[in-house]
Amino acid sequence: AQSVTQLDSHVSVSEGTPVLLRCNYSSSYSPSLFWYVQHPNKGLQLLLKYTSAATLVKGINGFEAEFKKSETSFHLTKPSAHMSDAAEYFCVVIPIFTYGGSQGNLIFGKGTKLSVKP
Amino acid sequence: SQTIHQWPATLVQPVGSPLSLECTVEGTSNPNLYWYRQAAGRGLQLLFYSVGIGQISSEVPQNLSASRPQDRQFILSSKKLLLSDSGFYLCAWMYGSSGNTIYFGEGSWLTVV
Repeated sequence: AQSVTQLDSHVSVSEGTPVLLRCNYSSSYSPSLFWYVQHPNKGLQLLLKYTSAATLVKGINGFEAEFKKSETSFHLTKPSAHMSDAAEYFCVVIPIFTYGGSQGNLIFGKGTKLSVKP
Repeated sequence: SQTIHQWPATLVQPVGSPLSLECTVEGTSNPNLYWYRQAAGRGLQLLFYSVGIGQISSEVPQNLSASRPQDRQFILSSKKLLLSDSGFYLCAWMYGSSGNTIYFGEGSWLTVV
């Protein structure tokens, strides 16, 4: 069975310090992996995606994530947190056998709420 | 460019009343369309998805229904709302040629009282 685990439900950092949001996946096939951000009372916005090209993926707002197949991980990082980064972050897996998008078989993590202290 | 619109943004409805949330996508054709619900403290739950006009797949049994009367229109409905239907509802679309990225609407807050 395929799954996504976001290891921390809540992460708190100080402004200007690094951010690490952890995501591990379980998939029998090489998946497509995504990170989305959701600000309060808003929809989800795509931060970045991995689709079997470069393993280090750069996204918007200074975020990046590294796909590590040996560790089945896709952790999200940012060198320096900003107050505006406070939001909830979702790791999403699309198993490769649904590549055609013909099914709604997206697998969402439970989310990690990021707090940024001044 | 493609855009997705979802309305109303907030809704307060009494128990037993009907519901209609509407979602439209612009700038693309034949998208896959989705309705998700996000309850407080939980992840996203897929409710319905559609791969074409009139084609609806339901992921969970419930008193909600979905319809796709036009290619880029997706409607979430209920004949009689329950308290447990309260939550944040998100419409989304995906197109194969975009590398399977799924794009979300701004969401609709439903409070059933």
